[in-house]
Parts: sequence; C-alpha cells; structure tokens
Amino acid sequence: GEDVEQSLFLSVREGDSSVINCTYTDSSSTYLYWYKQEPGAGLQLLTYIFSNMDMKQDQRLTVLLNKKDKHLSLRIADTQTGDSAIYFCAETAYYGQNFVFGPGTRLSVLP
Amino acid sequence: DVKVTQSSRYLVKRTGEKVFLECVQDMDHENMFWYRQDPGLGLRLIYFSYDVKMKEKGDIPEGYSVSREKKERFSLILESASTNQTSMYLCASSLLSSGSYNEQFFGPGTRLTVL
Repeated sequence: GEDVEQSLFLSVREGDSSVINCTYTDSSSTYLYWYKQEPGAGLQLLTYIFSNMDMKQDQRLTVLLNKKDKHLSLRIADTQTGDSAIYFCAETAYYGQNFVFGPGTRLSVLP
Repeated sequence: DVKVTQSSRYLVKRTGEKVFLECVQDMDHENMFWYRQDPGLGLRLIYFSYDVKMKEKGDIPEGYSVSREKKERFSLILESASTNQTSMYLCASSLLSSGSYNEQFFGPGTRLTVL
C-alpha cells in the first residue's frame, strides 16, 4: 500500500530557513499536500502541489517536487516562532477521496 | 467558513466502557473520516464514509465501529474501550473528489484516555 515517510524532528533558529522532507510511494498521486498542526489543534491545509509541477511558491513557502525520486520538500523562509508546529506530508489514495499521511515532522524554532 | 466540531476535547473512560465520539460538519460534505493520531505514527485512518449509511474500513478498524445516519454527523464507537485505544482522535470532512484537488477539513480533536 501507499506509504509516506518523514523525519520526526527539526530544530532551526529564528530567521533561518527550514526544510522539511518527505518521500512517498504512490506514483499515481495527482496532488501532494502539506498540512500544519499547531499545538492543541486539528490539521490545517498549508499548501499543495500538482504532480506535473516541479515547484510552487507561496509567500514564505516553497514546495519542491522530484517525481522521479518521489521526494517532496517544504521550505519555510525566515522561520518564525509561530511556525513551530507539526508538519504532515500527504498523498492521495482511494481514487482521490482520502489521504495517506506521513508521521509528521515536529518543527521547533529556537529564539 | 467550514467548521468541523467534535463533541469533547478531553475524555476519560474506564476499560470495558462503551465510548461514543461525535463529529459534526456544517458544509454539506459527502466524505467524513475518523483518524487516530499517535506520536511517531502520524494519522492512521480508522473508518471513512462517503455517503449517509455508507462506511469503509480504513487501516486500523479493529475495535471500532462507526455510524452515519445523517450527512452532517459521523460517530465513532468503541464498543469496549481498552487502554491501547488511549489516543488523540481526529475527525475530518471533505467534498466528494473527482480525482482532482481535494482538501480535508479537520476538527480540533478529542484526547481520549482509557484507564
């Protein structure tokens, strides 16, 4: 079945860039997603990328997709303390009705 | 603004009790989902439903059942709670996808502790 992998922890200093990496297995995924979970809250969609794109930029966020290697990354420029959260990579499954989520990367931003 | 609400933020139950977790969405979404979230394991799908009275097993359905009698409400039932069901439970909803872009909207979660 589908599987999504991420490293579990990342620490960066405020103002630096953060890069969160993800690998996935299902090459038929049309869209790939990044979700953010702040402490004590549910998940919120952060951004997504269509599978025929290599890159998508949205303000401080840059998503890179290497479809050949099935590798997805999320870069956060000028990381702030408010970016401290768990970030989940997700690919679609069940004919696009459902997602398979990675284990989540806990980003800690140090002052 | 899509809103997904869950009946409780925190719940403490005893082993063997029957537990009901309720989820309500207000955007007329066809799909509804129940996940459990455990550290290092991410979100694992328990059950989902794409229509009233329809349900599909997810990756970890054992020990759980669900009910969807109305479109806006999806209930997760633990028939006889066990300590290994202590977890964070997240409900989500989405439109029925045509295979294109889709988005799941999540509730705030219910942290269940089984003693």
